[in-house]
Amino acid sequence: AQSVAQPEDQVNVAEGNPLTVKCTYSVSGNPYLFWYVQYPNRGLQFLLKYITGDNLVKGSYGFEAEFNKSQTSFHLKKPSALVSDSALYFCAVRDRVNTGTASKLTFGTGTRLQVTL
Amino acid sequence: NAGVTQTPKFQVLKTGQSMTLQCAQDMNHNSMYWYRQDPGMGLRLIYYSASEGTTDKGEVPNGYNVSRLNKREFSLRLESAAPSQTSVYFCASSEGTGGATNSPLHFGNGTRLTVT
Repeated sequence: AQSVAQPEDQVNVAEGNPLTVKCTYSVSGNPYLFWYVQYPNRGLQFLLKYITGDNLVKGSYGFEAEFNKSQTSFHLKKPSALVSDSALYFCAVRDRVNTGTASKLTFGTGTRLQVTL
Repeated sequence: NAGVTQTPKFQVLKTGQSMTLQCAQDMNHNSMYWYRQDPGMGLRLIYYSASEGTTDKGEVPNGYNVSRLNKREFSLRLESAAPSQTSVYFCASSEGTGGATNSPLHFGNGTRLTVT
């Protein structure tokens, strides 16, 4: 069974500082990996995804994520945080192999990012 | 471009009542999904439809039924609501036709349901 772990319920960072939101995953095969962001009273919005190739993936709003196969991690990063980045962030994984329970995307429990002045 | 539209935004039900959550997408996507979001549990898949005319169970299908009315619309029905179904429900769609697609999901803004 596939799973995603986001070990931090909340990450606090000062505006202008770099931020990292951690994610580790477990799948039987090779993964597709995703990051989504959720603002209050809104649905999730897609930020970026890893399919194959370059381990550093760039996405929306200046976010990037680094795929590390040996550590089974896909941490979200941003060089300089903004107060407007404060939101709930979800990591998600899907196994590339069609296991019959097709299209199953497994989400982590979410990490709340709080950026302060 | 509206994307994924869910109705209603809020609903309060008494135990045993029924209701249908509506979802429509205007992106010509093949796949549609219903998730529930509960504190500390992330999102859990209730049902999905990989293409028009097909539906399949997700992780937590008990107590729910779905209908893929056409390519645009995917409804979720609670036949006899229970307090355990108090949650925020999200509909989503994606271009993929199921399988190990890497297409991202596009979400609606959710329906906040309380069952008393």
